[in-house]
Amino acid sequence: EIVLTQSPGTLSLSPGERATLSCRASQSVSSSYLAWYQQKPGQAPRLLIYGASSRATGIPDRFSGSGSGTDFTLTISRLEPEDFAVYYCQQYGSSPRWTFGQGTKVEIK
Amino acid sequence: EVQLVESGGGLVQPGGSLRLSCAASGFTFSSYEMNWVRQAPGKGLEWVSYISSSGSTIYYADSVKGRFTISRDNAKNSLYLQMNSLRAEDTAVYYCARVLLGPGLWNAFDYWGQGTLVTVSS
Repeated sequence: EIVLTQSPGTLSLSPGERATLSCRASQSVSSSYLAWYQQKPGQAPRLLIYGASSRATGIPDRFSGSGSGTDFTLTISRLEPEDFAVYYCQQYGSSPRWTFGQGTKVEIK
Repeated sequence: EVQLVESGGGLVQPGGSLRLSCAASGFTFSSYEMNWVRQAPGKGLEWVSYISSSGSTIYYADSVKGRFTISRDNAKNSLYLQMNSLRAEDTAVYYCARVLLGPGLWNAFDYWGQGTLVTVSS
């Protein structure tokens, strides 16, 4: 089973600052199968990035994804007030088919 | 507009059963693979089950294998999750989620329902 470890657990930043979120896999993951989601309280997750670096429909270009192998990064170039949320990475593999990281909370400093 | 609307959640005793439904609209349901994902209160996301567009291929997480059954009715644009032998640790919000369709095999979930809460407690 591939385990995804996200860091940091909580990121305290101010609007306008840059956010860098990490997702490390216990084994190599195909870049095609790495995705990032945003979840706000009381809401369903929203797909931000798929294929490690492709933005989903309607996602602003301040969100970008990068990485390969075991290390992946989600970057928010300039935080907007609506970006404060929990972010999850996800990978598709063999068993279990899909796993999620434990999440990184981006909170207002 | 793509919509996924879950229903069927509620309070059930340990050992009991529930059937969740997910009504899909705004897209050609029969063309899309679907999943159930759950989130225990205050916790992260856990994938539960997958079904292919035709229903011929199904996967389960080990935590629910043998107890939960996923199915779909493409004529009714609906996805289901039959949950038997429920345990306290099955308490969660259950989301249905659509698999992104495209030229690549990305296996990401591009649309999610709003979720339905299942509480297993005596």
